[in-house]
Formats: sequence, structure tokens, C-alpha cells
Amino acid sequence: NAGVTQTPKFQVLKTGQSMTLQCAQDMNHNSMYWYRQDPGMGLRLIYYSASEGTTDKGEVPNGYNVSRLNKREFSLRLESAAPSQTSVYFCASRETSGSQNEQFFGPGTRLTVL
Amino acid sequence: QQQVKQSPQSLIVQKGGIPIINCAYENTAFDYFPWYQQFPGKGPALLIAIRPDVSEKKEGRFTISFNKSAKQFSLHIMDSQPGDSATYFCAASIEGNTGNQFYFGTGTSLTVIP
Repeated sequence: NAGVTQTPKFQVLKTGQSMTLQCAQDMNHNSMYWYRQDPGMGLRLIYYSASEGTTDKGEVPNGYNVSRLNKREFSLRLESAAPSQTSVYFCASRETSGSQNEQFFGPGTRLTVL
Repeated sequence: QQQVKQSPQSLIVQKGGIPIINCAYENTAFDYFPWYQQFPGKGPALLIAIRPDVSEKKEGRFTISFNKSAKQFSLHIMDSQPGDSATYFCAASIEGNTGNQFYFGTGTSLTVIP
């Protein structure tokens, strides 16, 4: 049981390049989330998916797109990377049935945009 | 606009001391308040959580105190150890909201000196 996995772990991009961050969970959770973490800013929600086939914007969606490929996988795409998108990106998942509320986080992707 | 305000930004205590981290919120619809612990290079992990129908919750050396009227909650770490050195985040959400957003504080970096 791997929990939440993210690839890649590290990435360096040049301004204007595109890339997709991959996330997968093996806990059969309905909801999945993408956050970015910046010093002094805490975790800010970029996009989330309440269930397979649905996605919604979070606090800071500009410059990003997402795809909920299936129940397990939720990817984050940067179409044209900018230096302001240099950050650590975390994917998380959560079960939404019953009284479960815990979010499980992946290990993060450290992205640098030059 | 920061939905959850956290203080202090950093904290240094001696081993055995009781660090206290405080959070405040405005949205009275929030009804689930978790604390997450994050070690360097790792994703956040749930430490302890509380719902507003209780004023205190203890799990091992970790205690959450909750003041509904003041819209504040805090984390106390009893008999702190060097292994507790990490960044701590408070958060708030509305339970039962499918795919609901979690709002995180900006984090507190705790250092416990041996």
C-alpha cells in the first residue's frame, strides 16, 4: 500500500516550457487535491476533484490545468511555466464517505522555473 | 484573504518545554480543525484533529484546545522532544462538504533544543 505517490520528485524548467505533474493514490479515495507550498504562505489549494470526472478551482488556479484521469490518478499541468510557479507541489487524497476527513499527502514535487 | 491565521511563525523551546501554537478563523461554518506535522522533505501528515463540539482533545503528548466563542484553537506539545522539531500547520474545513476545501495556516517552524 503505497498511499499517495507523485512524480517527478524534482524538476527544473525554463520559462515557457510545459510539464505535467503526476499523482496517484491506491486508497480508493474519492477526493484528490493539488496544493502548492511556498515559504511563509502555508499550503494553498490549486485545484481539487471531489470525485472521478469532476474538477474545481481552488485559491490559486491561474496558470494551471488538471485532469482526473480515473479514480486513482489526478494530474496537474503547467502549460507555460513562469518563475512565479517555482514551488513545492503536493498532491493529497481523502475519503469523503462516512466521517473520514483525513487528507493523505504525497511526498511532493520540487519545481524550479528559471 | 487568509481564512486561518497562525502564530507564531517560528518557535524555539528547550527539551521538556511546552510549545503552544495558535490559530484563529473567521468562518463560523468551519467544523473540522486538523493539525498537520511536516518534516523537511516530506509531505504533511495528520497529527490530531478536533470538532467544535468539544473544547479539548488529547492524543499522547499532543493536545488541541478549542475556544468556539473566540474562534481560536491551539496546539500544545507536552514534554517536547528534539524529534518534535518540524513545521506545524493548522487547518479548517467544512465537514460533509464533498470535496471540500481545506484552508491552511501559514505554518510554525518548531525547534526543540536538546
